[in-house]
Amino acid sequence: DAKTTQPPSMDCAEGRAANLPCNHSTISGNEYVYWYRQIHSQGPQYIIHGLKNNETNEMASLIITEDRKSSTLILPHATLRDTAVYYCIVRVNTDKLIFGTGTRLQVFP
Amino acid sequence: GAVVSQHPSRVICKSGTSVKIECRSLDFQATTMFWYRQFPKQSLMLMATSNEGSKATYEQGVEKDKFLINHASLTLSTLTVTSAHPEDSSFYICSATTGLSYEQYFGPGTRLTVT
Repeated sequence: DAKTTQPPSMDCAEGRAANLPCNHSTISGNEYVYWYRQIHSQGPQYIIHGLKNNETNEMASLIITEDRKSSTLILPHATLRDTAVYYCIVRVNTDKLIFGTGTRLQVFP
Repeated sequence: GAVVSQHPSRVICKSGTSVKIECRSLDFQATTMFWYRQFPKQSLMLMATSNEGSKATYEQGVEKDKFLINHASLTLSTLTVTSAHPEDSSFYICSATTGLSYEQYFGPGTRLTVT
């Protein structure tokens, strides 16, 4: 699987949009970009995934650059409950998930 | 939908004993289940992949005789930590895939403390 690079930590004010970047410059054409998050002492939670088009669901939006070398996860209106570690993972769908170190997002009041 | 449970949520055992952790898919049949381990302030590390009715595939460096995995049915996988030692204390998390999609659904985790 391609390696991803994420900032170790970010802060965001409650109610604001949280934009979490991820670099995956060596991504292959058949690899998807997946985002998971892990709230403290819980199992990871699936957020969203995409191949090359931008995606949106009830939790977040995923913006993938045209060259697919980077992406941004957007939480449009962050709440305190969004405080978690966010993992960006690239993989072929049939592959196992390999977690990196992720970004620790702290949402403050 | 796609709920995964684990039991127990916490367990404390004495060094040298064995402990079993269960992972269940509650509302779907899990063709594949995965076991992860997470030490404090670290990321999840995949330990093994199991398919129902066949032997688990272990990641490099994971001792298969110490971490016994049984995937006896499409809704249950168990991880047994044999002869546990304090260094096995960790957060153990399972996940499952439905076979209809490739998303993995994670259980809430089991915190094991070996004294």
